[in-house]
Amino acid sequence: SQQGEEDPQALSIQEGENATMNCSYKTSINNLQWYRQNSGRGLVHLILIRSNEREKHSGRLRVTLDTSKKSSSLLITASRAADTASYFCATVPNTGNQFYFGTGTSLTVIP
Amino acid sequence: DVKVTQSSRYLVKRTGEKVFLECVQDMDHENMFWYRQDPGLGLRLIYFSYDVKMKEKGDIPEGYSVSREKKERFSLILESASTNQTSMYLCASSLPGYLPYEQYFGPGTRLTVT
Repeated sequence: SQQGEEDPQALSIQEGENATMNCSYKTSINNLQWYRQNSGRGLVHLILIRSNEREKHSGRLRVTLDTSKKSSSLLITASRAADTASYFCATVPNTGNQFYFGTGTSLTVIP
Repeated sequence: DVKVTQSSRYLVKRTGEKVFLECVQDMDHENMFWYRQDPGLGLRLIYFSYDVKMKEKGDIPEGYSVSREKKERFSLILESASTNQTSMYLCASSLPGYLPYEQYFGPGTRLTVT
């Protein structure tokens, strides 16, 4: 399976703290994406980083990509209770149309 | 805004029934996908379609079939529902994969097979 893996599986932090979650994958990629899922809902795209990029920012989100280690990290700064959700990475290979989603990190931000 | 809609949020069916899950997108996307999501297993691809009447098997196609007669609509069919198909089903769409586009997801259908 080409499915990625997120680490940790679950994370609980206080509001205002930073949250970091990691994603490891197995194959060469065109790009890597992070998604968020609120409980019982569909996934929402957060940010996309191309294979030739090393870091990307979007608001309170910071994503890094290390293709030599086949890993990525998502940092959420100054977390809020509304950030409570599951976060998934998805890798897109160089060929084909398929996305490979990880198993997700469940983030709980305590007010 | 892209909108992906799914026919039902919650569905309860009996073992052996034929089940249709419908997905419609309004952004003229070429690609459409069906996933199932189970605790601890993440999202697993069942089937995807890259054009009308075209389909490809994903990682777990057994027990499922799909239909794409129109570009905006992608249906997932459970020919004879079984209890191990109880799951959350997510539909998604995207532009062609040769460009780095994201997927847009529907709200999901939670299917229970009794």
